[in-house]
Amino acid sequence: KNEVEQSPQNLTAQEGEFITINCSYSVGISALHWLQQHPGGGIVSLFMLSSGKKKHGRLIATINIQEKHSSLHITASHPRDSAVYICAALRQYNTDKLIFGTGTRLQVFP
Amino acid sequence: NAGVMQNPRHLVRRRGQEARLRCSPMKGHSHVYWYRQLPEEGLKFMVYLQKENIIDESGMPKERFSAEFPKEGPSILRIQQVVRGDSAAYFCASSPVRNSNQPQHFGDGTRLSIL
Repeated sequence: KNEVEQSPQNLTAQEGEFITINCSYSVGISALHWLQQHPGGGIVSLFMLSSGKKKHGRLIATINIQEKHSSLHITASHPRDSAVYICAALRQYNTDKLIFGTGTRLQVFP
Repeated sequence: NAGVMQNPRHLVRRRGQEARLRCSPMKGHSHVYWYRQLPEEGLKFMVYLQKENIIDESGMPKERFSAEFPKEGPSILRIQQVVRGDSAAYFCASSPVRNSNQPQHFGDGTRLSIL
């Protein structure tokens, strides 16, 4: 079992829909990243959070440390949101090693 | 303020040749991380370096792979005697300090293809 699990693996949505991507982890972490990767492209860091909730534009990320669970929400989705979304856990205890989920492939159709 | 720069973007090598991948971190960043993304797989940590030091190389294959981050110049990931299984996207990220509350910044990656 992977230390960081994401669901769903693939997600299809119509433009305008509210989208949720889930991430569960089994290790102690100091922070969790949400990353975005476009096909053939680089990786963009969307959020880094260790508690609570963060919002940037139409993107919202939440984390529940007790339940070891994080969610990424996209409101009013748009075709340009189509990408792979990856959660990555930064282990506790003085380490900089990120452990990645396998990613969620999102396609938003007009 | 340039981001993390990786070059080349695409690299083609024949089996047995050497591959050198370069990463220039963001200005002011002295910590560099290399990650590998095999086809249809997730990202995996390879190595973490600070200027002139390897801090954690627990994700590096035992043979043929090496990394350095000299005092001057970019970080280099070197793969000797490449094999087909080395074909992957290699990403570099940087951060200003260790285990900070700031996210790692990623480059656009180098896509390595082995013929």
